[in-house]
Amino acid sequence: ETGVTQTPRHLVMGMTNKKSLKCEQHLGHNAMYWYKQSAKKPLELMFVYSLEERVENNSVPSRFSPECPNSSHLFLHLHTLQPEDSALYLCASSPGRGASETQYFGPGTRLLVL
Amino acid sequence: QKEVEQDPGPLSVPEGAIVSLNCTYSNSAFQYFMWYRQYSRKGPELLMYTYSSGNKEDGRFTAQVDKSSKYISLFIRDSQPSDSATYLCSGTSYGKLTFGQGTILTVHP
Repeated sequence: ETGVTQTPRHLVMGMTNKKSLKCEQHLGHNAMYWYKQSAKKPLELMFVYSLEERVENNSVPSRFSPECPNSSHLFLHLHTLQPEDSALYLCASSPGRGASETQYFGPGTRLLVL
Repeated sequence: QKEVEQDPGPLSVPEGAIVSLNCTYSNSAFQYFMWYRQYSRKGPELLMYTYSSGNKEDGRFTAQVDKSSKYISLFIRDSQPSDSATYLCSGTSYGKLTFGQGTILTVHP
């Protein structure tokens, strides 16, 4: 596997379910990100991890819980989601957090909350 | 006001046309400007990035930044059906990327 991978690619869950999204980067990067992409809206940055420490949390509801056990893996734990949480969830990584650092994105997990 | 404004389109052009994609931004702290391309069912991939005002060319693609008017553009020459995708403009400030809504482009044969 190369680049940034995400599993599952598609997920359908009920509002009472608990599920987790997984992201893995094979690029040796130190920073990882979760974004939400909804139809007709810009990508929204949710969380940023740098060297496994959460450095940014953009007012995301507590029903989304990130976890970064090491610099290669990032999880997004989901519980009691709402239908408006249906979106494409994208993981990205970058070498560091400098202004010029390129972010490399995974293919995303398409989430549907019923 | 959104930090980055981008016309969502959709934009449909014939093969071979010159395509102009545009964004405006409001955050004066933006240091770098990037264009990402996102194909259907894929994540965004970096297409070009620029730092200063002026033009940057890469093959058929030219990125243009005008910091005085807070305007960024991407031009695609000799457009191809394979250029059909969503194009996202973004500005970075202290390592944080802020994206526009994305413009859906279709190049038809």
